[in-house]
Amino acid sequence: DVKVTQSSRYLVKRTGEKVFLECVQDMDHENMFWYRQDPGLGLRLIYFSYDVKMKEKGDIPEGYSVSREKKERFSLILESASTNQTSMYLCASRGGNQPQHFGDGTRLSIL
Amino acid sequence: QKEVEQNSGPLSVPEGAIASLNCTYSDRVSQSFFWYRQYSGKSPELIMSIYSNGDKEDGRFTAQLNKASQYVSLLIRDSQPSDSATYLCAVPKAAGNKLTFGGGTRVLVKP
Repeated sequence: DVKVTQSSRYLVKRTGEKVFLECVQDMDHENMFWYRQDPGLGLRLIYFSYDVKMKEKGDIPEGYSVSREKKERFSLILESASTNQTSMYLCASRGGNQPQHFGDGTRLSIL
Repeated sequence: QKEVEQNSGPLSVPEGAIASLNCTYSDRVSQSFFWYRQYSGKSPELIMSIYSNGDKEDGRFTAQLNKASQYVSLLIRDSQPSDSATYLCAVPKAAGNKLTFGGGTRVLVKP
């Protein structure tokens, strides 16, 4: 089974902090994704990566950056956290034409 | 027109009945289709993949694909209260490796 592991289930940070969300997958998938999900807004793609050191902006990249130094790890960075970034963050990975698999999610609160 | 459309619901069904969920998509060249189930506060989990026209059955779930009409449906037979969740339809974008998700259909199974 595909395993996508997110480093934290719950995280509380303060405005202005730099926040790192980590994601690791164990299936050698070339594609990895970061989404946020808010009530009534569905899944929104922040960034995705199709190879090591390669990235592409999604629908809502503002205020975020990403890093993919190794194939199995994809990090989401909130450069200066703001209260409107309080959300559920979901990491996913996908290989070829196969389904996408999600991690358990990180519920991030910015105070 | 949205790329992937679902009725948001809620779809209320009595226990033991069949729940029927529909999803329409706009990209005619899409080749693979996925259904995810998401419980409140949890991440989406894959329940069905379908790649060719017709029906695919897995336990109490049946996915139906009609590429000519550009819709994919999900039937849940003998619905149980534990089936109460939001069901997301996902379709790959024509170019690249991203999936487009519908907004989801909320299903409520009443005992």
